[in-house]
Amino acid sequence: SQKIEQNSEALNIQEGKTATLTCNYTNYSPAYLQWYRQDPGRGPVFLLLIRENEKEKRKERLKVTFDTTLKQSLFHITASQPADSATYLCALDRYGNKLVFGAGTILRVKS
Amino acid sequence: DGGITQSPKYLFRKEGQNVTLSCEQNLNHDAMYWYRQDPGQGLRLIYYSQIVNDFQKGDIAEGYSVSREKKESFPLTVTSAQKNPTAFYLCASSTRDLGQPQHFGDGTRLSIL
Repeated sequence: SQKIEQNSEALNIQEGKTATLTCNYTNYSPAYLQWYRQDPGRGPVFLLLIRENEKEKRKERLKVTFDTTLKQSLFHITASQPADSATYLCALDRYGNKLVFGAGTILRVKS
Repeated sequence: DGGITQSPKYLFRKEGQNVTLSCEQNLNHDAMYWYRQDPGQGLRLIYYSQIVNDFQKGDIAEGYSVSREKKESFPLTVTSAQKNPTAFYLCASSTRDLGQPQHFGDGTRLSIL
């Protein structure tokens, strides 16, 4: 079955720096990969989607890369702010339009 | 504004009791999903529905039941057969097109008395 791994340890960075989160997967070749943000006690919010034939996707301060050879996606937040502190989830497609989610990485941005 | 509404925000269950979690959406989405989230784990799919009057089991359906009588509504019942129901339950919806994002409600936290 598909397996997704995200850094289990929290990522602590200083305001203004670039945060880089990693999503690795095995036993699968997804057609696309999605990133979500989740705040405590809230539901996840969709951020970005990248397809298997795309190497990179950008949206404002966010950038996602997708390396199907390494089976890895990187999620970057440039010029990070304390308001970016949250848990970030990656998700891969399964058959149909279902998703399988990673456990998420907690990001803490300190001012 | 369009969105997904889950209720209640907090729910307590007694031993041997069934409880029902509500999920309503006004996004006109055909597909709806129920997930369970436990600390340190990814979201796990309980049930999903692609169209009214049809639904399928996800990865952890045992002890749960659903119905899809209306496009807007997808309630989840946690039955007494679910021995470890304490968790954060999330409902989501999407269009049926491949690769579309899912829109989530703000969850129901279920605890055992």
